[in-house]
Amino acid sequence: QKEVEQNSGPLSVPEGAIASLNCTYSDRVSQSFFWYRQYSGKSPELIMSIYSNGDKEDGRFTAQLNKASQYVSLLIRDSQPSDSATYLCAVNIPNNAGNNRKLIWGLGTSLAVNP
Amino acid sequence: EPEVTQTPSHQVTQMGQEVILRCVPISNHLYFYWYRQILGQKVEFLVSFYNNEISEKSEIFDDQFSVERPDGSNFTLKIRSTKLEDSAMYFCASRGSLILTGELFFGEGSRLTVL
Repeated sequence: QKEVEQNSGPLSVPEGAIASLNCTYSDRVSQSFFWYRQYSGKSPELIMSIYSNGDKEDGRFTAQLNKASQYVSLLIRDSQPSDSATYLCAVNIPNNAGNNRKLIWGLGTSLAVNP
Repeated sequence: EPEVTQTPSHQVTQMGQEVILRCVPISNHLYFYWYRQILGQKVEFLVSFYNNEISEKSEIFDDQFSVERPDGSNFTLKIRSTKLEDSAMYFCASRGSLILTGELFFGEGSRLTVL
C-alpha cells in the first residue's frame, strides 16, 4: 500500500513566523512531489512542485526533498493569516508507461497563522 | 486564465439514483482525471483518461462508475446507482503536458450528497 503521511496538526504559528510542514512517503519509485493548499470546501491549489533532491524556493515558499529519507517538506516564511489553510502533500506514482499523473495524497496539515 | 469548470457545484440525490457530474477541462489539455474527497479524509484518485480511453483506475472505480468524453470538450463521471458512501466532493483535473511533470489543474469540485 503506497502511503503519504503528514502530521494533521493543527499547526499554529504567529504572523511573521516560519511555518514548517513535513511529509513522508512510502514508494521509492516516486518521482514528483507536490504541495497543495486547500481552503475549506475548495479544491486543491498547487503551491510548489519539486522533482530533485535539495531545496526549491518560490517567493515565501521553500520545498525540500530528500529521496533517500523519503521526506519532503514545505517552509513558509513570513507567515500571513491568509496562509491559514490545510496543506496537502501529494506524490506522483507513475504507471508502467510512465505517463500518468496518479497522485497519492496525504491527509493534510492544518495551519493556523495567528495575527 | 484558462480553468477547469465543473457542474453542478452541489447535487443532492437519493440512494440508488444515477448521477452525472460534468467537467470541461482546459481546451488544449490531453489528460483528464477524477479525484474524490470524502469529508475529513484524503483526496483519492479515481480514474485517469487519455486518448479517449481509461489509462488507469483505482479500486474505488468499480462497475458503478464510468467516464466519458462525449463531444471533445466535456468529460463526465457517471455513478449508476449511488450509495451513501459515495457522498463526497468530486474533483476533475486536467493536464496538458506530455511530460510527467506537467501541472494538474483542478476544477472547483462537485459536492455530491446521497441521502
